[in-house]
Parts: sequence; structure tokens; C-alpha cells
Amino acid sequence: NAGVMQNPRHLVRRRGQEARLRCSPMKGHSHVYWYRQLPEEGLKFMVYLQKENIIDESGMPKERFSAEFPKEGPSILRIQQVVRGDSAAYFCASSPLLQGGIAEAFFGQGTRLTVV
Amino acid sequence: AQTVTQSQPEMSVQEAETVTLSCTYDTSESDYYLFWYKQPPSRQMILVIRQEAYKQQNATENRFSVNFQKAAKSFSLKISDSQLGDAAMYFCALTGTASKLTFGTGTRLQVTL
Repeated sequence: NAGVMQNPRHLVRRRGQEARLRCSPMKGHSHVYWYRQLPEEGLKFMVYLQKENIIDESGMPKERFSAEFPKEGPSILRIQQVVRGDSAAYFCASSPLLQGGIAEAFFGQGTRLTVV
Repeated sequence: AQTVTQSQPEMSVQEAETVTLSCTYDTSESDYYLFWYKQPPSRQMILVIRQEAYKQQNATENRFSVNFQKAAKSFSLKISDSQLGDAAMYFCALTGTASKLTFGTGTRLQVTL
């Protein structure tokens, strides 16, 4: 049973380019979360998605950032017109659907984005 | 809003000794979970231990145990018989019914011979 798969592991983009980060959740998981970790900091929540729905995007910057989790295929975090301040590690986590209660999230290995 | 505070940026422990990492939190929810994650240089987030708020008994996982003080909103991690492989960043985290995790700023643990 494969874990949460993120790709690429490392991504280098020039300022102004677009970055696309992919996340395939664990089998059977229908909830996906994206977190950002700046150097020497903890992880900060960005967005929470279910299939074809954004549930909570309160941590997403208002501009240039978007996320989707289509019916088929991986979840995508897209950053348009990247700037140096976007350089960070981006983590995806997934959890199963629970009827009530709180589900444990399982993390991918992250994508390290470097903007040059 | 939920907050998690780790007041120890760095800690050091000798191999085979015991170390305690501190964490305090704040939440208005009555139903929540607390976690300790380990992040080695590989960056992988590894779940070390979890605690359900409704459980009074402190969670234990082999050499790892927690001291959960619900009234004080404190959730410390004790590592016994420390090993070189325990060296990493340790993050305390909290989740409630909104499902998203709120992390502390982390404690870097060094293990010395």
C-alpha cells in the first residue's frame, strides 16, 4: 500500500515561471491537505480539499496560488509567476473519510521548490 | 483559532539518557487530537505519537511517551534511552474537527555520545 506520493521531489523555477506540484493521496483517502514549510520554520496550513471541492483555503495566499483535487488524478498545487519568497518545502498530507471524529493525516516526502 | 507553542528551539541529550520536549497549546474545541512529529534531515514527517484529548491515559510508544495535562493545555514528549537516530526536528501539532493541523515552530534535538 503506497504512501502519499509527491512529485517532483525538487523543483527549480526562474522568477516569473509557473510551478506545479503534484500529490497522489494514499489509496482510499479522499481528503488532501497542503502545507508549506519555510526554512527553519514549522509547517503552515495552506488548503484542504476533497475530490472536486475546496473545503478550506484560509491559509492560501490570495494571489498566484491555486489548488485542485479532480475526480481523477492527483491533487495539484499551482503557483503562478513565482517569486523568491515562494522558495520552501511544500508538503501534502492525506486522510480517509470519517463519519464524525478526527482522521489522522499521512504525509508525503515534500517538494522542495527553489526559485532562482 | 488554534495555537501551538514550543518554547525550546534546541535541546541536547546524551545517548541513553532521557529528554523532555515541551509543548503548550490553545484551542476552543473540546474534541481534538495532539501529535508529535519527527522530521529528520530527509524532511519526511514521521508521526511519533498521538493523543486523543478525551483520553486521560497518557499515550506511550516504546521509548516515547507523553505527559498530557489537559487543564494546563500542556503536551510534553519524553524520549527515554535516547539514540543517535533520535536526532531530528520535533514538531508538536494539534488538530480539531476542522481537520487541518496547526504546528509549533519545532525543537531541534541533538544527541551526543
